[in-house]
Formats: sequence, structure tokens, C-alpha cells
Amino acid sequence: GAGVSQSPSNKVTEKGKDVELRCDPISGHTALYWYRQSLGQGLEFLIYFQGNSAPDKSGLPSDRFSAERTGGSVSTLTIQRTQQEDSAVYLCASSLRVRQYQETQYFGPGTRLLVL
Amino acid sequence: QKEVEQNSGPLSVPEGAIASLNCTYSDRGSQSFFWYRQYSGKSPELIMSIYSNGDKEDGRFTAQLNKASQYVSLLIRDSQPSDSATYLCAVSGDKIIFGKGTRLHILP
Repeated sequence: GAGVSQSPSNKVTEKGKDVELRCDPISGHTALYWYRQSLGQGLEFLIYFQGNSAPDKSGLPSDRFSAERTGGSVSTLTIQRTQQEDSAVYLCASSLRVRQYQETQYFGPGTRLLVL
Repeated sequence: QKEVEQNSGPLSVPEGAIASLNCTYSDRGSQSFFWYRQYSGKSPELIMSIYSNGDKEDGRFTAQLNKASQYVSLLIRDSQPSDSATYLCAVSGDKIIFGKGTRLHILP
């Protein structure tokens, strides 16, 4: 079956421009997560969706970051007025979340963002 | 602040030996525990999940959980060069938190 997909796989942009990253979760997965991983660093949690709502957006680093999810499926992460420190790999993961505490997350391949 | 701690490594282990990876967590309410493997330049993939105290074995991998000590470990038996990767510990309570990972290097 299809896994989590993300697009674009790579994005190079100029400082100050807006970028939009897309995540297609595994069909039927109700939970969706966005993470950021800088070179050689661990996973930094950004936001969590359950269905179309985001009960936890505590990891968004600034108001330049926003995310939405529609139809309980596709999610987009938008970064406005990009800065060089936004350069990282942005990972999306989804899980079935049948039970609240038992959720295996399946990760997409990531979007590598480079802000010049 | 809920935390998950791992030794960053690198942990170097001879081929064929047992690799032992450790993780401690702060939230006593945590219910689910996961080990992910991440190769350089790739995304994390699930290796093991464990939910109750004790050991859980899957092939060459054994996860060990001790909730009283807030400790979870991953043992890799008969280590292979292909096991060289970063191993991420993740702990789930009301939210899932990842450790920063331990880099494992299997020496041929």
C-alpha cells in the first residue's frame, strides 16, 4: 500500500519568500504530525492534527509558521517570509491512532528546504 | 517539561556483538514506547514498539521496558554493518516525544 508522501522533495527559496509544503498521509490515518529536523539534530515537533483540527500546535516556532489539514487527509505547512534558520528537513508522519496511547507513526520521505 | 534522554554517541560496536541502546523519560504517565531507526539522509522507520514492562523480542532486536525506573532499552544481537544508523527513542503519553537519538556504528 501507499505510504506517506510529501512534496516537494527538495525546495530552494530566497529569504523572505513564502513556501508551502504538502503531506499526503496513509489512507485512513486520522492523526498527522509535522516535525522539523536540522542537520545532525533530533526531531523537533511542530504540530499535530487529529482529523482536521490541531489540538497541539505548541511546536510551531513563530507566527510565520502555519498548517492546515482538509478532508481529514492532505495537510499543508506554510512558512511565510522564510529565514535562513528555517533551512531543515520537514518530516510528516501519520498514524492510525486507534487507541490514544498506542500509535505507531509512519514517516514520509521529507522535504529538504534550503533558504538562501 | 517532559523529556526523553538518549546518549548521543557515537556508540561503536564490533560486528557480531550486542549493541545496547538506552533511553530514559520523565513522564510517568507515558504508555507507549517506540524505537525508530534513521539512516543518514533518510526518514525514521519503526523498529520496535513496547507497551508493558518486560522484554519484547523481534528477530535480532529486543526492547526492554521498566516503567518504575522510567527506562527503555533496545538490544541488537549479532550486530551487522547495516545496523549502523541513528536510533530514536519515542515515548507517548498525552503526546509523543522523541529523543535526539543515539548514533550507532558497527565496526566490520
